[in-house]
Amino acid sequence: AQSVTQLGSHVSVSEGALVLLRCNYSSSVPPYLFWYVQYPNQGLQLLLKYTTGATLVKGINGFEAEFKKSETSFHLTKPSAHMSDAAEYFCAVFTGGGNKLTFGTGTQLKVEL
Amino acid sequence: GAVVSQHPSWVICKSGTSVKIECRSLDFQATTMFWYRQFPKQSLMLMATSNEGSKATYEQGVEKDKFLINHASLTLSTLTVTSAHPEDSSFYICSARVDSPYEQHFGPGTRLTVT
Repeated sequence: AQSVTQLGSHVSVSEGALVLLRCNYSSSVPPYLFWYVQYPNQGLQLLLKYTTGATLVKGINGFEAEFKKSETSFHLTKPSAHMSDAAEYFCAVFTGGGNKLTFGTGTQLKVEL
Repeated sequence: GAVVSQHPSWVICKSGTSVKIECRSLDFQATTMFWYRQFPKQSLMLMATSNEGSKATYEQGVEKDKFLINHASLTLSTLTVTSAHPEDSSFYICSARVDSPYEQHFGPGTRLTVT
């Protein structure tokens, strides 16, 4: 069975600082990995995804993530946080066998002046 | 492209009544739609997978007689919460599968409050 662990339910950074949101996955087959962002009372917006190929994936709003198979990780980063980045971030894994997305518990990102 | 809408965006109903939530794919046809439930400050939990023209597949623990799902067309899926109770209050989000098995586009969600 596939699963996703997001370390840190709350992360706080200063505006302009590096953002690092951690995601580790468990999957018996090569996974497809996703990061979504959710603003209050809204649905999910896809930030980026890894399916195959290059392990460093760039997404929208300056975010990127690196798939590291040896560490079973897919951490999300952004070099310089902006106030508008404050939101809930979800990591998700999809495997063909399960035919569905499995979400992590989410990380609330707070950006302070 | 690949826009998914939900209606209503929020609804308040009395305990014991039923409420219907619509999920529409606006600019594409979706053979498969998904319904999720999200409690405050928690993750999304898949409730069911809805395929056009066939019965929905419910996840373990989800009462199919309580959460009725209909996917009558390639652009519309509905979730009806029957005999709603306060514990059904939640944020319900639908998504639609686009081209590939793993690509889902999410609706904006519906906030249901049962009083």
